[in-house]
Amino acid sequence: NAGVMQNPRHLVRRRGQEARLRCSPMKGHSHVYWYRQLPEEGLKFMVYLQKENIIDESGMPKERFSAEFPKEGPSILRIQQVVRGDSAAYFCASSPFRETEAFFGQGTRLTVV
Amino acid sequence: SQQGEEDPQALSIQEGENATMNCSYKTSINNLQWYRQNSGRGLVHLILIRSNEREKHSGRLRVTLDTSKKSSSLLITASRAADTASYFCATDVAQGAQKLVFGQGTRLTINP
Repeated sequence: NAGVMQNPRHLVRRRGQEARLRCSPMKGHSHVYWYRQLPEEGLKFMVYLQKENIIDESGMPKERFSAEFPKEGPSILRIQQVVRGDSAAYFCASSPFRETEAFFGQGTRLTVV
Repeated sequence: SQQGEEDPQALSIQEGENATMNCSYKTSINNLQWYRQNSGRGLVHLILIRSNEREKHSGRLRVTLDTSKKSSSLLITASRAADTASYFCATDVAQGAQKLVFGQGTRLTINP
């Protein structure tokens, strides 16, 4: 059973471009979470999804950011018109049920130049 | 101060010694989880302790939870160089949705 898979591991985008981050949860996990980590800081919750549904997006910026978890395929975190302040590590986590431990992927490190 | 604040921010000890890290939080929680993060890597889940539990063990790890003081501690016994990492506590605070609130972390260095 492979762990949570995120790709790409590193992503460089110019200001104004779009960034697409992918997350494949562990097999059998239907709960997906996205977190953002700025350098030297802890992780900040962004969004919680179940298959085809956004359950809680209270940590997502209101503009430019969107997330989906389709019936088939990975969860996608999409950042449109990236700015330098979007540079961070973005982590995805999954769990089989709501109140169990979340397993994290290795993260995608986004650099906006 | 933030929910899930770790103390100390940095800790440096000799190999073989015990390392204790503390975490304080502000609101009621469903559970509290400890994670380890090696530099530039993802998070590794260590222990989950539920709000109705007081202590949990896993190998060389011991976690305590005091809900009256809204605090938790992580003890690593007989530390090894490989334990060098940042350690984060995360509280699950939401009803109906797991939303972990992370602290800033404790940077632990084990000196050989």
